[in-house]
Formats: sequence, structure tokens, C-alpha cells
Amino acid sequence: DLVLTQSPLSLSVTLGQAASISCKSSQSLVYSVGNTFFNWLHQRPGQAPRRLMYAVSNRDSGVPDRFNGSGSGTDFTLTINGVEAEDVGVYYCMQGIHWPPTWTFGQGTRVDIK
Amino acid sequence: QVQLVESGGGVVQPGRSLRLSCAASGFTFNDYAMHWVRQAPGKGLEWVAVISYDGGTTSYVDSVKGRFTISRDNFKNTVFLQMNSLRAEDAAVYYCSRELIGGKAEKFDSWGQGTLVTVSS
Repeated sequence: DLVLTQSPLSLSVTLGQAASISCKSSQSLVYSVGNTFFNWLHQRPGQAPRRLMYAVSNRDSGVPDRFNGSGSGTDFTLTINGVEAEDVGVYYCMQGIHWPPTWTFGQGTRVDIK
Repeated sequence: QVQLVESGGGVVQPGRSLRLSCAASGFTFNDYAMHWVRQAPGKGLEWVAVISYDGGTTSYVDSVKGRFTISRDNFKNTVFLQMNSLRAEDAAVYYCSRELIGGKAEKFDSWGQGTLVTVSS
């Protein structure tokens, strides 16, 4: 079974500093066409999750360019360049397979302001 | 715009059943596979089930196989999750989301607000 391991699980960041979240997969994305089966989500307290990045490195509409996704194969990273107060919450990576279209989530990384 | 609205949650005793619904609008529903994802209180996200655009293929996480059934009505633009033999560990907020098979951007790009299922005697 596919397992996604995020690290760290908790991150306390000073406003304006950079933050980086790692997501390591037990199965490579190498056979995914266009790396389409890897997303990052953000969930603020009390809200539904919202997709932040799709296909590893593509920002969703309205997502500030301080957010960057990178990686390939089994190692992926979400970087926030200059954390702002609105960035608090939990970040999840997610990876899927083509068929049947089943998906797995990472455990989540909680980000708060120091 | 795309909208997904879940309903049907509530308090149910262990061993009983509940049927969740997710009403979709703002897109061509029968082009998309639909997913259910859940989140237990204070925990992370867990993928639960998927149904193909035509209802012909379904898949489930192991912990709900044989107890949950996902289905859809493409005339009513609605996806359902029939949950039988509910257990305490099924208590969660249940979200629905969509996926365009073969698409790049249209994978979990929209989520509903969720519906809360509480399993308690």
C-alpha cells in the first residue's frame, strides 16, 4: 500500500521566514503522466481542505507565489517563502494512482506562527 | 461555479446505518469520478471511496470494504455514501470531492463543506 510520510509534523515559524515541508512516498510517481497524481492541500482550523498545488508544482488560482512545490519520484517539498499569518493551518500532501483512482494522504504538517 | 454540498450526517448508534449525499453543481457531473474523504475529530484526512463517472467502477479503503457503498445518480448530480454497520472509528467529517480522469488540474480541486457523522450509543 502507498504510504506518504510528511516531515516535520509540526512547524513554528516567525513571520516572514521561510518554511519547508517534506513528503516522501513509498511509491514513485515516475509512471504518472505529467506528474498529475500529486497535490498539496491546506486546511485552516474549522474549514474544509483547499487544494494549494496540483501536479507537484502548479499553484491553484489565488495561491500566492510565495508557495512553491517541487520534487519528483518519491520526494516532494512544499516551500513557503516568507510565511504570513494567513498561512497557519495544516498542510497535507496527497498522491494517487491512475486506476482505480485511489488516493493516499500524508499525516499532515501543522504550521503556526512563533 | 463548482459547488459540492454534503448532507445526511448526524448521530447514529454503533451498528446502525446512515446515508450521506453530495449534491454537485456548476460542472458536468457525469464527466467526473467522485470521491469521499473523511476526517476524524482532531485527525488527518483519509480517503474513503471513489466512483467512476458512469458508476461502473468503485473502490474503497480497506477499513470500510463490505460496509460502505458509494453510488451516484447522474440525473440528479448527486453522489451517495451508504454506511452500514457503523463503528465508533467511522465518526468523522465526511467530504466529497471530484476528479477528472485524465485531467491534470481537475483532481480534488473542489471540496464540499463536509457533513459530520457521530457514532455513539
